[in-house]
Amino acid sequence: EAGVVQSPRYKIIEKKQPVAFWCNPISGHNTLYWYLQNLGQGPELLIRYENEEAVDDSQLPKDRFSAERLKGVDSTLKIQPAELGDSAVYLCASSLRQGVGTQYFGPGTRLLVL
Amino acid sequence: DQQVKQNSPSLSVQEGRISILNCDYTNSMFDYFLWYKKYPAEGPTFLISISSIKDKNEDGRFTVFLNKSAKHLSLHIVPSQPGDSAVYFCAASATRGNEKLTFGTGTRLTIIP
Repeated sequence: EAGVVQSPRYKIIEKKQPVAFWCNPISGHNTLYWYLQNLGQGPELLIRYENEEAVDDSQLPKDRFSAERLKGVDSTLKIQPAELGDSAVYLCASSLRQGVGTQYFGPGTRLLVL
Repeated sequence: DQQVKQNSPSLSVQEGRISILNCDYTNSMFDYFLWYKKYPAEGPTFLISISSIKDKNEDGRFTVFLNKSAKHLSLHIVPSQPGDSAVYFCAASATRGNEKLTFGTGTRLTIIP
């Protein structure tokens, strides 16, 4: 069974440019999460989807960040415009359904903003 | 406010010995706890979990202990193997409502051959 797929794996952009990350969860997983991981820190939740509905986006900086999961399968996280402080690893995870249990993580996208 | 704390950034253990990783939490609403393992350039991988109704959960070489009164949990790995070298994250959640996982800052475990 394929795991959570993320692309790109690495991205280098200049500040004020837009950037987008893509995630394809494990097949059949209804719940999808985007996490942000800064260097030396643990992952922090940005947004959680149940199917196509964003059920928790309280930690998403909505002035510059947006996300979508239009058909309840894959998802895109966008930053526009990017700032220097956005340099981090962006992790996507999925789980079978709502409820705490095993969240399966993708390899992450490492973003560097210059 | 760090609700989940891993106070040891790093730990070195001889191969074959026991590795003990510690985690403290402050939020009394947390009732489900997980350990994740992370290799460089990979996402975290689920290792083991424990519900607050238990004080111990075992899976092969890995055992997690929960002390609710002390708000403390620990992960024991015995015997430690070179492949166990990784960063270990403790995570917690309050299952009533919010499904968000709150992670600690991680402990880098190095197994010395």
